[in-house]
Amino acid sequence: QVQLVQSGAEVKKPGASVKVSCKASGYTFTRYDMHWVRQAPGQGLEWMGIINPSGGSTSYAQKFQGRVTMTRDTSTSTVFMELSSLRSEDTAVYYCAREHSSVIAFDYWGQGTLVTVSS
Amino acid sequence: EIVLTQSPGTLSLSPGETATLSCRASQSVSSSYLAWYQQKPGQAPRLLIYGASSRATGIPDRFSGSGSGTDFTLTISRLEPEDFAVYYCQQYGRSRWTFGQGTKVEIK
Repeated sequence: QVQLVQSGAEVKKPGASVKVSCKASGYTFTRYDMHWVRQAPGQGLEWMGIINPSGGSTSYAQKFQGRVTMTRDTSTSTVFMELSSLRSEDTAVYYCAREHSSVIAFDYWGQGTLVTVSS
Repeated sequence: EIVLTQSPGTLSLSPGETATLSCRASQSVSSSYLAWYQQKPGQAPRLLIYGASSRATGIPDRFSGSGSGTDFTLTISRLEPEDFAVYYCQQYGRSRWTFGQGTKVEIK
């Protein structure tokens, strides 16, 4: 069965960087694009960007351009999201989500990783 | 960027009633690229509807989606206790994805 398992919660100081991982299993890793979505406490969902695990190409939401880097490791079927220059407003749960192969929708989601930014 | 506005913000209903949720786009959206998700507290979102009206795998037929252009609707018939949650619409356009702000369906 398809599973996306994310790394554990992180606490970071303002100005630091965080790198969250998302390990995929149960399907051919390189056949499906992966997205990152975040959710601040009590708030809605915010799309951050997409990575194509096959070639590694990425596209980021304008809001995060210059601060976010998405990468992948095909040998371990893992995608990574690194966010730099953290500020308190980046405190959120970060999700990876697989894009459905035939339509533009996210059919499987990771369990989420809470990133807390606090001095 | 296409902005999605969901209404109402909160819907208070009783089990067995029908919920009608609205998602309005600031520009026309291809029906193929409109999806709905359900999220319960402490859980990741779950895909309900894609392509505006197609149910995802395992989704009960009491969930239905409709609409086109800038106006889309999610209807939940015969509300079950497990349906009380927050619902988000999502669209894809110009290589960008955006979500609505969500509608909370709560028990009256």
